[in-house]
Amino acid sequence: KAGVTQTPRYLIKTRGQQVTLSCSPISGHRSVSWYQQTPGQGLQFLFEYFSETQRNKGNFPGRFSGRQFSNSRSEMNVSTLELGDSALYLCASSRTLGSGTQYFGPGTRLTVL
Amino acid sequence: TQLLEQSPQFLSIQEGENLTVYCNSSSVFSSLQWYRQEPGEGPVLLVTVVTGGEVKKLKRLTFQFGDARKDSSLHITAAQTGDTGLYLCADYGGSQGNLIFGKGTKLSVKP
Repeated sequence: KAGVTQTPRYLIKTRGQQVTLSCSPISGHRSVSWYQQTPGQGLQFLFEYFSETQRNKGNFPGRFSGRQFSNSRSEMNVSTLELGDSALYLCASSRTLGSGTQYFGPGTRLTVL
Repeated sequence: TQLLEQSPQFLSIQEGENLTVYCNSSSVFSSLQWYRQEPGEGPVLLVTVVTGGEVKKLKRLTFQFGDARKDSSLHITAAQTGDTGLYLCADYGGSQGNLIFGKGTKLSVKP
């Protein structure tokens, strides 16, 4: 079956703009988690959605937000972009909330100029 | 919050050599996972270990879980160029019960 897909794969924005990233989970998976990956900090947890509700949130400012739709697809939004937001944004899906196996998408590479 | 420390940070070897990378935790693992991430891709789960002292093998990869469940190692025998990638350890030790990751070991296997 199809894996996790993320769109777009690459994005270039300027400071102050906002951006929306999209994630389609594996069919049947109801949990979607988002991560930010940078060379300095590694992979850091942003938030997790399950059944259209945010269940967990990492230590990121309120400029980072997300939502999940009834078909389990998820979007992540970053407002008022800063240079430090340049990163690879990964989403992962799993069947259940919590400690299930997570399957990662290829990521969206965001560059903020 | 749990901290995962991986070493070495970088490793460059020739094809055919053996290598070991390590993952140490500031607290007891709940269920340790090892991932490999290739350039331009997301991490792919290699193995999950839950029992102290457990050893798992995946072809040329051997994963060991320390008895005290605070450390783990990944040994690769006769490395191949296809083993190149970022090796990450992870555990469900975040303050929100979320998955947290070490910063990884970047492995380069040269022909």
